[in-house]
Amino acid sequence: AQKVTQAQTEISVVEKEDVTLDCVYETRDTTYYLFWYKQPPSGELVFLIRRNSFDEQNEISGRYSWNFQKSTSSFNFTITASQVVDSAVYFCALSEDTGRRALTFGSGTRLQVQP
Amino acid sequence: DTGVSQDPRHKITKRGQNVTFRCDPISEHNRLYWYRQTLGQGPEFLTYFQNEAQLEKSRLLSDRFSAERPKGSFSTLEIQRTEQGDSAMYLCASRSNIAGYTFGSGTRLTVV
Repeated sequence: AQKVTQAQTEISVVEKEDVTLDCVYETRDTTYYLFWYKQPPSGELVFLIRRNSFDEQNEISGRYSWNFQKSTSSFNFTITASQVVDSAVYFCALSEDTGRRALTFGSGTRLQVQP
Repeated sequence: DTGVSQDPRHKITKRGQNVTFRCDPISEHNRLYWYRQTLGQGPEFLTYFQNEAQLEKSRLLSDRFSAERPKGSFSTLEIQRTEQGDSAMYLCASRSNIAGYTFGSGTRLTVV
């Protein structure tokens, strides 16, 4: 069975601070995909990134960066110089590498960025 | 293409009533998924279709729930004899063999 744990329920930072959202996953599959989604108050899930299990390179996209460490089954997400518009709930998710590819989500981390 | 559309955005119903939600996926996406998200939790998988075939149903999907995707285009999710525990956001998503998931904005159901 697959499981995703986001231990941080809520994080509050002041604008321009850096913040890291933690994600730990469990799976028996050797090939899998990891995702991060952003859910603003409007409710729609916004795709941020997908990584496959064979690609452990860290990735940077603007103020966002992701640290994938297979040895610790973690896929952490860092926002540099946070902005008020970053306030949302962030979900980490995992899917197997099959035609099904249903997503298993963590319980989310609510990020509040104060001006 | 404007993405995945869900209708209605909000639904309030009395306990015991039936409700039906609609999802219009991205036209070239052959796979369609339904997820349920309760307050403070991440979305949970309910069921998925490849074209018109419903290939899997989660154990979360009780006998009161039924989903269809006639002709492999739009999909409907019906809940019969609604209960207060059915109150949640129902999310639809679609994808193709090469494209990633695209989620709709969801239908928020409140059972009173």
